[in-house]
Amino acid sequence: DTAVSQTPKYLVTQMGNDKSIKCEQNLGHDTMYWYKQDSKKFLKIMFSYNNKELIINETVPNRFSPKSPDKAHLNLHINSLELGDSAVYFCASSQGTGTGVYEQYFGPGTRLTVT
Amino acid sequence: QQQVKQSPQSLIVQKGGISIINCAYENTAFDYFPWYQQFPGKGPALLIAIRPDVSEKKEGRFTISFNKSAKQFSLHIMDSQPGDSATYFCAATGRYSGAGSYQLTFGKGTKLSVIP
Repeated sequence: DTAVSQTPKYLVTQMGNDKSIKCEQNLGHDTMYWYKQDSKKFLKIMFSYNNKELIINETVPNRFSPKSPDKAHLNLHINSLELGDSAVYFCASSQGTGTGVYEQYFGPGTRLTVT
Repeated sequence: QQQVKQSPQSLIVQKGGISIINCAYENTAFDYFPWYQQFPGKGPALLIAIRPDVSEKKEGRFTISFNKSAKQFSLHIMDSQPGDSATYFCAATGRYSGAGSYQLTFGKGTKLSVIP
């Protein structure tokens, strides 16, 4: 019954590894996002997809590659993990790409720890 | 110009008191101003939102006050309760880099602690 779900909830890995985080929403929304929340709680948008198409791509290292197989799913793959990638990653969704993006539904987050 | 500045960074309020969190923005093209609430270990959740043509919006104990000329808006939590202890984010929506799509820009958050 969860609106926006993410897996895994926790991810502990070593530097240099490649990892993926999966996100699914059952709200029927057509826009999905990835956010990074650092240790100071600052929320920064990374990517946004609308109907499987990339529409926002903030200044994010190209080690991060999002993929949207359909409008209900948005996955995040990270190559060559670095210590600075340690953070909580949130997936979110909303309807449309206009002003309605104010109403976003967030997943529970994935806490990534790189050692 | 896409920034939303939020203060204070942290706030401690006695149970029953009023919690006030302030935000300011520069971009006059922002056209919706939501507040999100985040409990530890959870994702942010929309709490209340206001449009710039309205000066105040109230939902239960939560009120947004909006001052368009000053480009400021604030969240007031009346009769604050320990269960309100969370991090609060103000935000604003605006067009992303001149493109057709909008994005949500968040303030840096305020950690509210309500003590019994």
